[in-house]
Amino acid sequence: NAGVTQTPKFQVLKTGQSMTLQCAQDMNHEYMSWYRQDPGMGLRLIHYSVGAGITDQGEVPNGYNVSRSTTEDFPLRLLSAAPSQTSVYFCASSSRQGPYEQYFGPGTRLTVT
Amino acid sequence: DAKTTQPPSMDCAEGRAANLPCNHSTISGNEYVYWYRQIHSQGPQYIIHGLKNNETNEMASLIITEDRKSSTLILPHATLRDTAVYYCIVANRDDKIIFGKGTRLHILP
Repeated sequence: NAGVTQTPKFQVLKTGQSMTLQCAQDMNHEYMSWYRQDPGMGLRLIHYSVGAGITDQGEVPNGYNVSRSTTEDFPLRLLSAAPSQTSVYFCASSSRQGPYEQYFGPGTRLTVT
Repeated sequence: DAKTTQPPSMDCAEGRAANLPCNHSTISGNEYVYWYRQIHSQGPQYIIHGLKNNETNEMASLIITEDRKSSTLILPHATLRDTAVYYCIVANRDDKIIFGKGTRLHILP
């Protein structure tokens, strides 16, 4: 199993550009989530999904959209990038909602200029 | 308000046991204690969790006090690869994970 994969690893955007961060898992997990991590801070939850077709907001959802059309994929869209969205983004998946045994991807480092 | 309090950093000699404390004095009866760690530039990694009893797995041991107001994560024989930020999380089984700032553990050669 590849586990949780994220692409791209690195990305530079200009203010106002849009892009999609990809996340995929091959463990047949129902629960998937997106976090961002800023320097010196812990991870903050952006959006999560408890199954295909179901998404909900986390702590810091503004400026981000998600959808979950399949169990495997959970893309994160930035509609109009802002410098405040410069961060490292992590995707995670688990067999159930909650803190138990979440598997995290390697992260995408995004810089918005 | 943070549910847990952890020291910002700790040192441990390689080969010794690393004991990482966590205070969670407001924990409620159905909340679990979870530990994750994050090695530099990688995604967090689940380590262990417990409710009341002490727990052990291939990575670590978790000791929870009888009143459940604090716990200790023990890495029995720390190696350089254990250098990471360790997060203690208190949550119900279906809660979203809320990460604090964790403890930065330095393993010294």
